Amino acid sequence: QSVLTQPPSVSGAPGQRVTISCTGSSSNIGAGYDVHWYQQVPGTAPKLLIYRNTNRPSGVPDRFSGSKSGTSASLAISGLQAEDEAHYYCQSYDSSLSDSMVFGGGTKVTVL
Amino acid sequence: QVQLVDSGGGLVKPGESLRLSCAASGFTFNDYYMSWIRQAPGKGLEWVSHITTSSRYTNYADSVKGRFSISRDNAKNSLYLQMNSLRAEDTAVYYCARMHGSGSFWIGLWGQGTLVTVSS
Repeated sequence: QSVLTQPPSVSGAPGQRVTISCTGSSSNIGAGYDVHWYQQVPGTAPKLLIYRNTNRPSGVPDRFSGSKSGTSASLAISGLQAEDEAHYYCQSYDSSLSDSMVFGGGTKVTVL
Repeated sequence: QVQLVDSGGGLVKPGESLRLSCAASGFTFNDYYMSWIRQAPGKGLEWVSHITTSSRYTNYADSVKGRFSISRDNAKNSLYLQMNSLRAEDTAVYYCARMHGSGSFWIGLWGQGTLVTVSS
C-alpha cells in the first residue's frame, strides 16, 4: 500500500488529453511538500518529467504539465502520442515517516 | 558524460550479504545528496536510503533499517549499499540516484540499475 495513491491505469487515443492523479494526506502533499513526476518505460530506469509540482526539465515536451492543490497533485499529458505509453510515478516526502521520500504506486498509460 | 553506473547485484541466499556500488562520473559527486531506490519485479518504486554530501546524515526506510548501510567515498566518486541479512522481499532492481533541490528533493539522475535476487 503506497503512501501516495495513483490510479493503476489510464488510457486515451492519440491526440487526446489524459490526467493522472496523485492523492496524499496532511503529512505529505498537504503538509506543503513538493510533488515530482517520473516516466518509466519497461526495462529502463525512470526519467524525471516534472519537478517542484509544475516545472519541466529541459528536453521534456510541453505536452506534459503538473499541478498541485491541497493534498493532491496531477500530471496531464495533452496531445497523447504512442511514445507516451509508459508507467508514471509521483513522488514527495512524508513527515510521519521521518521525512522520508515516498512514491505513488504508479499508473500505466496506454495509448489506444 | 554525466552518468551513474550501478554494479554488484546477483543471486544470494536468504540471510546472506551483498554490497552494491555506484560509480559517478561527469559531475561533481560531492555536491549532491545520493539515494538508493529499488523496484521489485513488476512493482513500483521504493526509496531505500539516502546520504548527505559529507556522509554526516543517513536515513533508511523502515523495511531495511538495521540491515542495510549506505556510504560514500567522495575521493572515488562512489556510492555504496551494504545489504546484510537479506530476505526474499529484498529481491529488486536497485537504482543509484542523484538527489536535487532541498527539502522536497527530486531525482535528477538515475543509474541503470542492478538486479538483486534473494532465493534459496
